Amino acid sequence: AQSVTQLDSHVSVSEGTPVLLRCNYSSSYSPSLFWYVQHPNKGLQLLLKYTSAATLVKGINGFEAEFKKSETSFHLTKPSAHMSDAAEYFCVVSAPYSSASKIIFGSGTRLSIRP
Amino acid sequence: EAGVAQSPRYKIIEKRQSVAFWCNPISGHATLYWYQQILGQGPKLLIQFQNNGVVDDSQLPKDRFSAERLKGVDSTLKIQPAKLEDSAVYLCASSLARASGVGDTQYFGPGTRLTVL
Repeated sequence: AQSVTQLDSHVSVSEGTPVLLRCNYSSSYSPSLFWYVQHPNKGLQLLLKYTSAATLVKGINGFEAEFKKSETSFHLTKPSAHMSDAAEYFCVVSAPYSSASKIIFGSGTRLSIRP
Repeated sequence: EAGVAQSPRYKIIEKRQSVAFWCNPISGHATLYWYQQILGQGPKLLIQFQNNGVVDDSQLPKDRFSAERLKGVDSTLKIQPAKLEDSAVYLCASSLARASGVGDTQYFGPGTRLTVL
């Protein structure tokens, strides 16, 4: 079985300061890991993904995430927040050979940006 | 390139009624997914098709939910009969994957918001 835990339901930062959204996962297999973003009244969009290549993954809009197997973490970071980053962020684990559900979304982290 | 299309965008029904949702994936995408997203929660995978075949339906409530993907393109998701707890946004997504789907990027449609009264 596999699971994913987003450690913060809401994160608020000031514009121009760093962003850290935390994600821990559990999987019996070598998973793929993703971050998706959902802006208000817009569809889900891929930010970045890890698929067993480089452990530091760069995505769109200046976001990046580091896969740490020893810590079972895949935290999302951005050096400087922008107002347009305000959205809901989902961490996703995927293990196609899992006997249970093969794709699991986290519960989401709402990111707010203060002017 | 056209995105994933879903209809209707909104639906209001009474409990015990039936409802159907339609999804048209991106052209050439072999894999299609249906998710249920309850307000304040992350999407939950209901069913995953690869072409016409079902890859994963472990979280589909099969006593009331059904889905089909005829000819490996369009798909419909049906609820019969609906319950109050089925109120949610139903998302359809598609991806290129023709094999195991490891690391495959999903492209999401706008969703159908279902309200069950």
